[in-house]
Amino acid sequence: SAVISQKPSRDICQRGTSLTIQCQVDSQVTMMFWYRQQPGQSLTLIATANQGSEATYESGFVIDKFPISRPNLTFSTLTVSNMSPEDSSIYLCSVQGTNTEAFFGQGTRLTVV
Amino acid sequence: GEDVEQSLFLSVREGDSSVINCTYTDSSSTYLYWYKQEPGAGLQLLTYIFSNMDMKQDQRLTVLLNKKDKHLSLRIADTQTGDSAIYFCAERHKLSFGAGTTVTVRA
Repeated sequence: SAVISQKPSRDICQRGTSLTIQCQVDSQVTMMFWYRQQPGQSLTLIATANQGSEATYESGFVIDKFPISRPNLTFSTLTVSNMSPEDSSIYLCSVQGTNTEAFFGQGTRLTVV
Repeated sequence: GEDVEQSLFLSVREGDSSVINCTYTDSSSTYLYWYKQEPGAGLQLLTYIFSNMDMKQDQRLTVLLNKKDKHLSLRIADTQTGDSAIYFCAERHKLSFGAGTTVTVRA
């Protein structure tokens, strides 16, 4: 199984600021994803992080708000830009390797005040 | 409508079996997953089943898949208090998640 480290694990941020979340995997993986889990809700896919090219965003999510980097096969970042209280959520990194499993990081619990 | 649907709550007595149900819409899904999320924690992959299988058993967990009806279930035998959590089913195509079933185990 893949071991995924996410940083920070939690943060409290002022509205209007930006936060960059890091996701590090202990092995090379083909697919990396970023999800948002709003309080009491299920997971919503934000985007697929593509290595060497722009991320693929799902409906309702845009690059200006959630810029994503994927410089190599083991690392990705998600930035939550110009934050508002509505952005308070858990943000999760997920990976799928060559096998069938999809693994998740522990998540970053973001509170915007 | 939602791609993956689940019942939201389940209460079960300790020692009984729990059955969590899920329906999905994407017939091209090759794999279907069950995840467990404990309070304040990330998602733990419990098990998965390939779409050409009807059943998969892993210790106390049994997954049943009815591909014709696009229905997936997770049975937890001898449910323990440590099984209290939210359980999510997900399909592989875009890893779409259900809303989660909150399982409460009562003594």
